[in-house]
Amino acid sequence: NAGVTQTPKFRVLKTGQSMTLLCAQDMNHEYMYWYRQDPGMGLRLIHYSVGEGTTAKGEVPDGYNVSRLKKQNFLLGLESAAPSQTSVYFCASSSGGFDTGELFFGEGSRLTVL
Amino acid sequence: GQNIDQPTEMTATEGAIVQINCTYQTSGFNGLFWYQQHAGEAPTFLSYNVLDGLEEKGRFSSFLSRSKGYSYLLLKELQMKDSASYLCAVMDSNYQLIWGAGTKLIIKP
Repeated sequence: NAGVTQTPKFRVLKTGQSMTLLCAQDMNHEYMYWYRQDPGMGLRLIHYSVGEGTTAKGEVPDGYNVSRLKKQNFLLGLESAAPSQTSVYFCASSSGGFDTGELFFGEGSRLTVL
Repeated sequence: GQNIDQPTEMTATEGAIVQINCTYQTSGFNGLFWYQQHAGEAPTFLSYNVLDGLEEKGRFSSFLSRSKGYSYLLLKELQMKDSASYLCAVMDSNYQLIWGAGTKLIIKP
């Protein structure tokens, strides 16, 4: 049972390069989220989606774009990477909104921008 | 602003009991979550409190006092595998999750 899978697990970029993180879930969840986790800070929501074809901005959306073309996939794009985007990125999914219960997280993608 | 406070790090002994506190100041309240995160791994759900009182789940219990803006996670019969970070998160009036920075729990034999 795969749950939530993120690729790649690790990536090093140079400033200005672009990349896409892929998140896939096999639980038929409607809601999907992208978070970043930085030392000494709580998880911060970047973008989220409440269903196929929909996306919305979270707390820290600048410099990122997302797409949810298929229900099971949620892509996070960095258009022009900056050192401030060095972080661990977590994708999560849930059957409903935050008030309906737990989030299921992927294992994380560690991104370093030089 | 919205704020979740947790101790940065705690140390406890295998077999003992530890209480991890979480205080919050948020715009509204619609529930409080606790997650466990082992180093280098994904957070996993532990508990959800929306009403005052104690929720027990095996060796783990979570307590909530809405009037005090306070919760704690109680871990009993500590095992080495309980060494992890424990994340407190509060759902605000807009049903958005606000996360604390986490408490790193170190278990010593």
